[in-house]
Amino acid sequence: QVQLQQSGPGLVKPSQTLSLTCGISGDSVSSDSAAWNWIRQSPSRGLEWLGRTYYRSKWYDEYALSVRSRITINADTSKNQFSLHLTSVTPEDTAVYFCAVDYGGFYYYAMYVWGQGTTVTVSS
Amino acid sequence: AIQLTQSPSSLSASVGDRVTITCRASQGINTDLAWYQQKSGKPPSLLIYDASSLESGVPSRFSGSGSGTDFTLTISSLQPEDFATYYCQQYNNYPSFGGGTKVEIK
Repeated sequence: QVQLQQSGPGLVKPSQTLSLTCGISGDSVSSDSAAWNWIRQSPSRGLEWLGRTYYRSKWYDEYALSVRSRITINADTSKNQFSLHLTSVTPEDTAVYFCAVDYGGFYYYAMYVWGQGTTVTVSS
Repeated sequence: AIQLTQSPSSLSASVGDRVTITCRASQGINTDLAWYQQKSGKPPSLLIYDASSLESGVPSRFSGSGSGTDFTLTISSLQPEDFATYYCQQYNNYPSFGGGTKVEIK
């Protein structure tokens, strides 16, 4: 059974970069059937999918239009983990951030397992 | 972007009640829909995928139906551990989620 463990700071200053990591156990970040997602949840925006990365002979990434200019999701095969980087944050980026895995191949799919969540506050 | 509208946004029910939650998509999504349960302070947990397939380990009192734009989640006999918030999610295109339905104790 795959498990996801999140880590990263809970407080980020405005205009800085939010960075979170999701460690994987029970599967490989290079799996040819898994895709590794980031989702956030806030009272104002609800649950919002941010993007994902996956490996199918090469690395692919896909991002939500709302954050496309500010987001990068990348994988670290040596540590079997993947990370979220969101630049130029504002208080609007304050949310609980989740990592999650889907097994849709090239297609989007249901989020099978989720990380525990990280509350990130953007404030000076 | 595909919008998902859940109704009701909240409901009060008693143990043993039959509960139905609906999710309407702004355009047809075939059966590319999942349902999740979320309890306070926890991540969402997958209940149903492909509109009607029960995730392994999920009690059979949960069921899903629908295709195209209209979907339902039914709890046949509400149990104390079912009081939570439920979300639908579509994956026909960029994933998106409904606004949630909070199931409270009457």
